Amino acid sequence: DTAVSQTPKYLVTQMGNDKSIKCEQNLGHDTMYWYKQDSKKFLKIMFSYNNKELIINETVPNRFSPKSPDKAHLNLHINSLELGDSAVYFCASSQDTNEQFFGPGTRLTVL
Amino acid sequence: GEDVEQSLFLSVREGDSSVINCTYTDSSSTYLYWYKQEPGAGLQLLTYIFSNMDMKQDQRLTVLLNKKDKHLSLRIADTQTGDSAIYFCAAYSGAGSYQLTFGKGTKLSVIP
Repeated sequence: DTAVSQTPKYLVTQMGNDKSIKCEQNLGHDTMYWYKQDSKKFLKIMFSYNNKELIINETVPNRFSPKSPDKAHLNLHINSLELGDSAVYFCASSQDTNEQFFGPGTRLTVL
Repeated sequence: GEDVEQSLFLSVREGDSSVINCTYTDSSSTYLYWYKQEPGAGLQLLTYIFSNMDMKQDQRLTVLLNKKDKHLSLRIADTQTGDSAIYFCAAYSGAGSYQLTFGKGTKLSVIP
């Protein structure tokens, strides 16, 4: 059973398009996260939701909008994609101990 | 805010021990983690240590924590080629903060 799943695994799109990445966790965790990993493998938090409420919103362009329809899902919508958005995006979830469980990642390539 | 630093590269021979070091800045960090990322894969939690411990051993892995120096290390005994990966140190600063701060990752290369 997959604990944290993301779709799609790969996403190739043109500049200017709008795309979404979906994340689901079946661990019953209250908190979910989006991270961006750049080409140098540096990992940076973007957003965090706890019980469907936004609690961390790092300096991320307004073109990125997270949406949490319920506490098991945290989707990431990106408007007007730019070349610099190319990266691997990881979803994660955690409960009280803050041990975060990561999804497999979505590799986004903007052409 | 918290800052977590690691060296970016480490190369060892198969069968030797690997030691990956990490420093952090927030003395109130309560949990410290080591994650492993294999090529093309997500992050996998390897082990973690509470700030009231100074050592934790789990099979080939030994974590040492020097709270005074804010220094964390991960020792992998009898390193195998399958241990080649990027290892991330991460620190959690405490209640009310849901944020893990990650280091930049140490790429471990194991030479056969």
